[in-house]
Amino acid sequence: ETGVTQTPRHLVMGMTNKKSLKCEQHLGHNAMYWYKQSAKKPLELMFVYSLEERVENNSVPSRFSPECPNSSHLFLHLHTLQPEDSALYLCASSPLGTGVNEQFFGPGTRLTVL
Amino acid sequence: GIQVEQSPPDLILQEGANSTLRCNFSDSVNNLQWFHQNPWGQLINLFYIPSGTKQNGRLSATTVATERYSLLYISSSQTTDSGVYFCAVSSNTGKLIFGQGTTLQVKP
Repeated sequence: ETGVTQTPRHLVMGMTNKKSLKCEQHLGHNAMYWYKQSAKKPLELMFVYSLEERVENNSVPSRFSPECPNSSHLFLHLHTLQPEDSALYLCASSPLGTGVNEQFFGPGTRLTVL
Repeated sequence: GIQVEQSPPDLILQEGANSTLRCNFSDSVNNLQWFHQNPWGQLINLFYIPSGTKQNGRLSATTVATERYSLLYISSSQTTDSGVYFCAVSSNTGKLIFGQGTTLQVKP
């Protein structure tokens, strides 16, 4: 778990709250990802950052706002969420340019929106 | 986009049994990973295997890229092997596309 860490591990918020999820990777990677996993479903890619630039936004609503201040940190800012946004949010990282782009995942933040 | 299909969707085994999980994908890939998701949601990397065969203890995997499938073998299964097994692939974009998963339950 020390490779990719996420905080908080659990979060309960109301629809009018603003909160942020944090991800940190200690693997020296330069690409980071946010995934959403709803109940009984596979992971869905939300955002991709490569060298701190967003290179993918997979039609995600604007109430989710990512931020990548440096290659080790990734945030997901949340505001005005809906109950259907309740899910497990997973962060991942991978190297770039090495020919081996294996992704490693954090433990996830389990989000409940009331 | 690439489609990923895993089979079977559910599998129940008695402790000590062997099993084979399959992953079919619809296009050429340059990354294929197998993960085990434990009951707490943690995705654990099992194999990075875009082609060839690898073994790690009781687990092994084979990917036949030309025929667009991969197999995960679990031998002498244990109750701690229970959970969901995901196959995920990506092409040149680097985006991982996940299959629906195989839910494995190993009974003592």
